[in-house]
Amino acid sequence: TQLLEQSPQFLSIQEGENLTVYCNSSSVFSSLQWYRQEPGEGPVLLVTVVTGGEVKKLKRLTFQFGDARKDSSLHITAAQPGDTGLYLCAGARSGGSNYKLTFGKGTLLTVNP
Amino acid sequence: NAGVTQTPKFQVLKTGQSMTLQCAQDMNHEYMSWYRQDPGMGLRLIHYSVGAGITDQGEVPNGYNVSRSTTEDFPLRLLSAAPSQTSVYFCASRVFSGASGELFFGEGSRLTVL
Repeated sequence: TQLLEQSPQFLSIQEGENLTVYCNSSSVFSSLQWYRQEPGEGPVLLVTVVTGGEVKKLKRLTFQFGDARKDSSLHITAAQPGDTGLYLCAGARSGGSNYKLTFGKGTLLTVNP
Repeated sequence: NAGVTQTPKFQVLKTGQSMTLQCAQDMNHEYMSWYRQDPGMGLRLIHYSVGAGITDQGEVPNGYNVSRSTTEDFPLRLLSAAPSQTSVYFCASRVFSGASGELFFGEGSRLTVL
């Protein structure tokens, strides 16, 4: 059973379009992170959200944490070819003295010029 | 800035061979971990460590061993490689405190087991 479900799995759009990627779970998380991974490289952190209902903006990217801290969304406005990559959400849950980070399977975004 | 360094970047093994994937970080991070990434499966945690001398299993530990003798290094050992271990392996580190620490990843090691 996948703890974090990401949708869609694949997304191919034209430059200038808007898109939203979802990360859903039945579990509550202490925090949720979004990473972007480009081919041949490791994931790189985009944002961390920690408070239910929190909204963070990073240029054309808007991240939202659900009120119940079980889900999150990533919205990209006016997508550009440079946004192409694999977007991964990762949820942190308390496990005693450590926080376990669980990743979703990712959304592979292709923005065509 | 070196960050997290993994070697080798590419490796081909025959079934039954052993090898070690090296990982080093220069950020003085307490927490280090190994993930494998397979198509359609996302990133799955193999083993992790919260400090020198302390290691623990992740969700897919079978077939892999780790040790943490220093803060900087966290090698991953495959004792007897199997084709099912063909994957891209990522080492990652972060400050061990709280739930919101950023994971810093290496560039990955692509392993093929024939």
